[in-house]
Amino acid sequence: KQEVTQIPAALSVPEGENLVLNCSFTDSAIYNLQWFRQDPGKGLTSLLLIQSSQREQTSGRLNASLDKSSGRSTLYIAASQPGDSATYLCAVVLGSNYKLTFGKGTLLTVNP
Amino acid sequence: DAGVIQSPRHEVTEMGQEVTLRCKPISGHNSLFWYRQTMMRGLELLIYFNNNVPIDDSGMPEDRFSAKMPNASFSTLKIQPSEPRDSAVYFCASSLSDARRTRQYFGPGTRLTVT
Repeated sequence: KQEVTQIPAALSVPEGENLVLNCSFTDSAIYNLQWFRQDPGKGLTSLLLIQSSQREQTSGRLNASLDKSSGRSTLYIAASQPGDSATYLCAVVLGSNYKLTFGKGTLLTVNP
Repeated sequence: DAGVIQSPRHEVTEMGQEVTLRCKPISGHNSLFWYRQTMMRGLELLIYFNNNVPIDDSGMPEDRFSAKMPNASFSTLKIQPSEPRDSAVYFCASSLSDARRTRQYFGPGTRLTVT
């Protein structure tokens, strides 16, 4: 059974700092990996999708990397802003099916 | 595009009552997913539809839960009878045909409280 773990569970940083969120998964036969953002009381917003054949994806100040062999992904946020405060979730799709398996998320707080 | 639309946004009901949650996927998307989010278990897939047909309902907790998709633009998740342990946020998501290649787009969720 695929398990997805996110460390740390919570992170507080001062504005302007660069930071890294971590995601690990137990089954390396993934089809893709996605990073989502969830604001309090809101739905999930897809930030980046990395196909299994890719090593990284970038969108603005966000960069996500994927290392299938080690079962790890990182989300790098450059020059963090208070508006980046949210819960960030990582999810994987196994090669054999369509299901997204989610981690529990990292709660990020960026202090002004 | 209005995105995935869910209603109601909040639902408070008493134990034993029937609850119906509604979802309108993004136009042109033919994969639809229902998820449940709780503090203890995180986000869990309940059921997946493709082209209006239920493909996998193995995540549905028990027979009290049922879901339908009568057409490409509407789906319902029904709980009958509801129990306090069903309290959670229920999300609907949709994606283009091959859900393994494309992003899933989530609705704002329905926060269900069963007293």
